[in-house]
Amino acid sequence: QMQLVESGGGLVKPGGSLRLSCAASGFTFSDHYMSWMRQAPGKGLEWVAHISSTDSSTYYADSVKGRFTISRDNAKSSLYLQMNSLRAEDTAVYYCARAPSKDVWGQGTTVTVSS
Amino acid sequence: EIVLTQSPDFQSVTPKEKVTITCRASQYFGTMLHWYQQKPDQSPKLLIKFTSQSISGVPSRFSGRGSGTDFTLTINGLEAEDAATYYCHQSGSLPYTFGQGTKLEI
Repeated sequence: QMQLVESGGGLVKPGGSLRLSCAASGFTFSDHYMSWMRQAPGKGLEWVAHISSTDSSTYYADSVKGRFTISRDNAKSSLYLQMNSLRAEDTAVYYCARAPSKDVWGQGTTVTVSS
Repeated sequence: EIVLTQSPDFQSVTPKEKVTITCRASQYFGTMLHWYQQKPDQSPKLLIKFTSQSISGVPSRFSGRGSGTDFTLTINGLEAEDAATYYCHQSGSLPYTFGQGTKLEI
């Protein structure tokens, strides 16, 4: 069945970097736009970034623009989120999902930014 | 940025009740409005896509409609398992946004 599995989360100090991965299976990854969302503890969902199926177009929330980079490797059916200059307010569970309707979600990976 | 405002924020309901959650957009963005259900410690689950399209495997008691900037999710015949937080989400205009969520307590 269709599945997304995130990995790469962890504890990082403010100003540090982390790279999240999302492995897709059960569908033709290269046919689909993909998105990253996040959910801070006890808070609602926030859209973070979006990438076209061919990697030619990327879009970001203002809160992460210039610090985060979304990318993909269609040969590996994988989505990535490079997160630099991390801040305490980036602490959240990060989800990848298939766009545009987010009909398939991963289980999430937790990122904690703390000294 | 399109702001999605859901109402109510919280509702205490009883089984078999009919529940309607509203999602109002600050401006028009089309029909790319989707609804999700999220239970504690779980990933969101898509219930309705593109305003009113049903999703395979989702019970038929969930339905969506909308026009202009007003959208609704209706649950006909609430069941105990429907206790969750519900979110609307628009993917029609960048930056994409979510509503603040509506928590249903049963």
